Amino acid sequence: AQSVTQPDIHITVSEGASLELRCNYSYGATPYLFWYVQSPGQGLQLLLKYFSGDTLVQGIKGFEAEFKRSQSSFNLRKPSVHWSDAAEYFCAVGPSSNTGKLIFGQGTTLQVKP
Amino acid sequence: KAGVTQTPRYLIKTRGQQVTLSCSPISGHRSVSWYQQTPGQGLQFLFEYFSETQRNKGNFPGRFSGRQFSNSRSEMNVSTLELGDSALYLCASSPNTDTQYFGPGTRLTVL
Repeated sequence: AQSVTQPDIHITVSEGASLELRCNYSYGATPYLFWYVQSPGQGLQLLLKYFSGDTLVQGIKGFEAEFKRSQSSFNLRKPSVHWSDAAEYFCAVGPSSNTGKLIFGQGTTLQVKP
Repeated sequence: KAGVTQTPRYLIKTRGQQVTLSCSPISGHRSVSWYQQTPGQGLQFLFEYFSETQRNKGNFPGRFSGRQFSNSRSEMNVSTLELGDSALYLCASSPNTDTQYFGPGTRLTVL
């Protein structure tokens, strides 16, 4: 069955420190992969996406993610976290085309210490 | 371009009532998907509409229904509301189904 796992429910990092949020997926074919961010009471904002090609993708707000097929992972990284990055982060997987259905992980809440 | 808009933003209903939520996609987007977000179940796919046709449906009871109009605006309806229907309902639009852009959501509270 298709699934997405975000092993870390909650992560706390100090402002200025590096960040890595983990995402593992289970999918039969080559998936489309996404990272979204959600601030309290808000909708989801797309950070970045991977469809094919270069396995290191750059997104908005200084985020990047690396697709590793051998590990079925799509981890999100940021070199230096800002207090405004505190939010909930969701990894999602979608089929290649013809449907808009996304399968989401349970989310990782990021807390940033001053 | 204006983003995805959802109305109303907040709604309070009582058990047994029905509710209709509205979503206006980004101009030019033909695909609209709906998701339910709850603390316990997370984000779950409800259904997707493309050019007024339901193209995909999640694992929800028949009380949940939707439709899409010729201008791509979409509505979802929940009949005979239950307490467990309390959630944030998110709408997402896409120009071609590969990337979805989400609205702010409608917070439904069922009392």
